[in-house]
Amino acid sequence: QQQVKQSPQSLIVQKGGISIINCAYENTAFDYFPWYQQFPGKGPALLIAIRPDVSEKKEGRFTISFNKSAKQFSLHIMDSQPGDSATYFCAASKIPGGAQKLVFGQGTRLTINP
Amino acid sequence: NAGVTQTPKFQVLKTGQSMTLQCAQDMNHEYMSWYRQDPGMGLRLIHYSVGAGITDQGEVPNGYNVSRSTTEDFPLRLLSAAPSQTSVYFCATERAPPGGTEAFFGQGTRLTVV
Repeated sequence: QQQVKQSPQSLIVQKGGISIINCAYENTAFDYFPWYQQFPGKGPALLIAIRPDVSEKKEGRFTISFNKSAKQFSLHIMDSQPGDSATYFCAASKIPGGAQKLVFGQGTRLTINP
Repeated sequence: NAGVTQTPKFQVLKTGQSMTLQCAQDMNHEYMSWYRQDPGMGLRLIHYSVGAGITDQGEVPNGYNVSRSTTEDFPLRLLSAAPSQTSVYFCATERAPPGGTEAFFGQGTRLTVV
């Protein structure tokens, strides 16, 4: 049972363009939505995260947009650079407090062409 | 400060062999988990532990065993390796500040079962 669905599976963007990755979730109890970035041969690392009380969060060139009614959220990478080439995972979990199990999407392999 | 350390990085097993994937952390996090990463499937939770002496099953636990005798170590045992267990395995710890959970991953173990 895939609780978080991610698309596309792979994405090629030209340098300077906007990369957009989408995720949809089913469980309305989820209330924390992080994105993880993974470079080849490395483990994933937290990139940016959002709570559902806001519709958008921006950190540098990375923005999460959140649509609670549609149960969807997306990652936008502005001015995409070759160094952004990586696999991106969206995830969801429940709060409150204490460590909660993260549910991951299927991943998107992003390639930025120079 | 090493974070999360996994050994070995690569392993080839024959069908039916057993082995243990090691995971050690120096972050003093109570929560630890094992994921497997397969193309198009994202990261799937195998087993997790909320503290020494406490473990539980994740989404895909069959064929794997875990134990947690100390906060630092969380080994994953493959009882009788099968080709379907060919995958990249990640160990992770989590911390849960008020804003949400952050997972810290090791560099992974690439396992091939022939």
